Amino acid sequence: GDSVTQMEGPVTLSEEAFLTINCTYTATGYPSLFWYVQYPGEGLQLLLKATKADDKGSNKGFEATYRKETTSFHLEKGSVQVSDSAVYFCALSDPGTGGGNKLTFGTGTQLKVEL
Amino acid sequence: DSGVTQTPKHLITATGQRVTLRCSPRSGDLSVYWYQQSLDQGLQFLIQYYNGEERAKGNILERFSAQQFPDLHSELNLSSLELGDSALYFCASSPGQGVNTEAFFGQGTRLTVV
Repeated sequence: GDSVTQMEGPVTLSEEAFLTINCTYTATGYPSLFWYVQYPGEGLQLLLKATKADDKGSNKGFEATYRKETTSFHLEKGSVQVSDSAVYFCALSDPGTGGGNKLTFGTGTQLKVEL
Repeated sequence: DSGVTQTPKHLITATGQRVTLRCSPRSGDLSVYWYQQSLDQGLQFLIQYYNGEERAKGNILERFSAQQFPDLHSELNLSSLELGDSALYFCASSPGQGVNTEAFFGQGTRLTVV
C-alpha cells in the first residue's frame, strides 16, 4: 500500500537558519504530493503541492520538488522565522488506490524556531 | 479560517457510549473526508463522501459510521467507545474528488474517552 516516510522530529533551529525536512514515498500509481502545516490548536493547512515529476511547489518561502527517480519530496526554506514553528506533514494522493482521493500522511515533523 | 466547521470542539464521554461529530464543509464543496489523528497512529484516513455517496473507505472501524446529507454536511458516528478511540477527529472538504484537489481542514473535534 501507499506510505509516506518523513524525518523524525522535533527539529530545533535558530531564526534565519536553513530548513530541510526529508520526505520519501511509496505509491501504487502516480501520486500528487503535498506538504501540510499544522499550527498549535488548528487544523491542517495546505502549504504547497506538486502533481507531476520535476514540478516544484512553493509558498511563503517554502519549496519542494517532486523527484520521481528518488521518490522524494523534501521541504526546504532558506531562512526560517519563529512564526514557522509548527508541525509539517508530507502527504500523497494516489489515483491508483481505486477511487476517491484520500490523503496518506507521514508522521509529521515538529519544527521549533528560536530567536 | 478554512471555511470548514466542526462541532463540537471538545467532547468527553465514557467508555461504551455513542457520540456524533458534525462537519459543515466549505460552501460549494461536494467532497467530505474524515481523518483521525492520534499519538500512536498519526493521521489516518477514515472515509470519504462525494455528493452524498460513499467514495472511499480507509481504516474505519465497524463501530464507526458516517453519512453525508443532502445539504452536504456530514456526521461521523462513533459507538461502543473505547479508551483507544480518544483522538482528534478532522473533517476536510474539497470541491471535487480529483487527486490534485486541495483539501481544506476544519479545526477538529477532540474526543476524550474516560
